Amino acid sequence: DGGITQSPKYLFRKEGQNVTLSCEQNLNHDAMYWYRQDPGQGLRLIYYSQIVNDFQKGDIAEGYSVSREKKESFPLTVTSAQKNPTAFYLCASSINSPNYGYTFGSGTRLTVV
Amino acid sequence: AQSVSQHNHHVILSEAASLELGCNYSYGGTVNLFWYVQYPGQHLQLLLKYFSGDPLVKGIKGFEAEFIKSKFSFNLRKPSVQWSDTAEYFCAVNAIGNNRLAFGKGNQVVVIP
Repeated sequence: DGGITQSPKYLFRKEGQNVTLSCEQNLNHDAMYWYRQDPGQGLRLIYYSQIVNDFQKGDIAEGYSVSREKKESFPLTVTSAQKNPTAFYLCASSINSPNYGYTFGSGTRLTVV
Repeated sequence: AQSVSQHNHHVILSEAASLELGCNYSYGGTVNLFWYVQYPGQHLQLLLKYFSGDPLVKGIKGFEAEFIKSKFSFNLRKPSVQWSDTAEYFCAVNAIGNNRLAFGKGNQVVVIP
């Protein structure tokens, strides 16, 4: 079945450590997105990429980094510079534009301990 | 920039009651509109979408939404809710030519049996 796989489902990190969240899709979608979901705040865009080797900052990119070396993969690194990293992270993809809506992964819950 | 407002973040209903969730957006041009639903423990999935044509859109599970351009609104409705409709509902907007969806803060709906 085609879809988006995020791993791990739960992740614990010590303060000061970088951590990388995985997002893989086999839908042959061009565009991929990372959102952060916090209670009562909805989904906020961190980074997005429309094609391989290109990506743009979203609304809350500070403290995060991404890469897009392959069409099917869009990993997100939460760096130690991110002041409040504990959150639920969602990856999504779409055919070359969001006009057709997104397909979402099941998310990764990151907790800083 | 496009933005989305959803009111009444927490909604509690009894089964068989009618549900209406408001969604207003701020963008003067052409938009595509979406409602997504997130059931407890599940990933976000598309409920319905509007691109053009009939402003009354029917989605899955008996939901519908009406696009009123003059009011910049895309309200979601269901005449008679069930316990299984307990979920968080997100409105999203894509301004044509923009490469991302903007999400509202969500409505947490709890249906009491």
